[in-house]
Amino acid sequence: AQTVTQSQPEMSVQEAETVTLSCTYDTSESNYYLFWYKQPPSRQMILVIRQEAYKQQNATENRFSVNFQKAAKSFSLKISDSQLGDTAMYFCAQNYGGSQGNLIFGKGTKLSVKP
Amino acid sequence: EPEVTQTPSHQVTQMGQEVILRCVPISNHLYFYWYRQILGQKVEFLVSFYNNEISEKSEIFDDQFSVERPDGSNFTLKIRSTKLEDSAMYFCASSPVMGSPIFGPGTRLTVT
Repeated sequence: AQTVTQSQPEMSVQEAETVTLSCTYDTSESNYYLFWYKQPPSRQMILVIRQEAYKQQNATENRFSVNFQKAAKSFSLKISDSQLGDTAMYFCAQNYGGSQGNLIFGKGTKLSVKP
Repeated sequence: EPEVTQTPSHQVTQMGQEVILRCVPISNHLYFYWYRQILGQKVEFLVSFYNNEISEKSEIFDDQFSVERPDGSNFTLKIRSTKLEDSAMYFCASSPVMGSPIFGPGTRLTVT
């Protein structure tokens, strides 16, 4: 069975600093997608970044970037220049089956950005 | 920017009652999904829907649940005979054929 593991239940970072959230996964599929979603207190699920497994280049979206290590099945999220609005739960996810939207989520990391 | 909408935002129902949660996916998306999140827990996949039929479902999606696309815009999740443990946030999502799922704001279901 596929699993997604986030080993850091909670993290905190000072405003303007950089923080890295960890995620590991286990899959037997050769082609898949990995995602980071942000869930602020409103509980809306917001897509942060997506990585295609067949692409070696790490995805970046403004202040957000990933470190994708396919052999190690590791997919960490780096947030640079942290802002107060980054305070949220962050969920790592991997798709399975034929659709990008069949997602298995990790348990999440609660990130607090302190002023 | 296009968005997924869900109604109602909060639904309270009594145990044993049937509820229908409604979603309007993004208009040019072809895949539709339902997820749930029990308070304080991770988000769990329930079902995906494509070309007017279920394409994938999880173990959670048993006979108590059903989905339907009754017209060209709505996508519904029906829960028959609700149980206390069905209390959760239910998220609808949609995606194009080769694209990431976009989530709606969720419906909070409370079963009393």
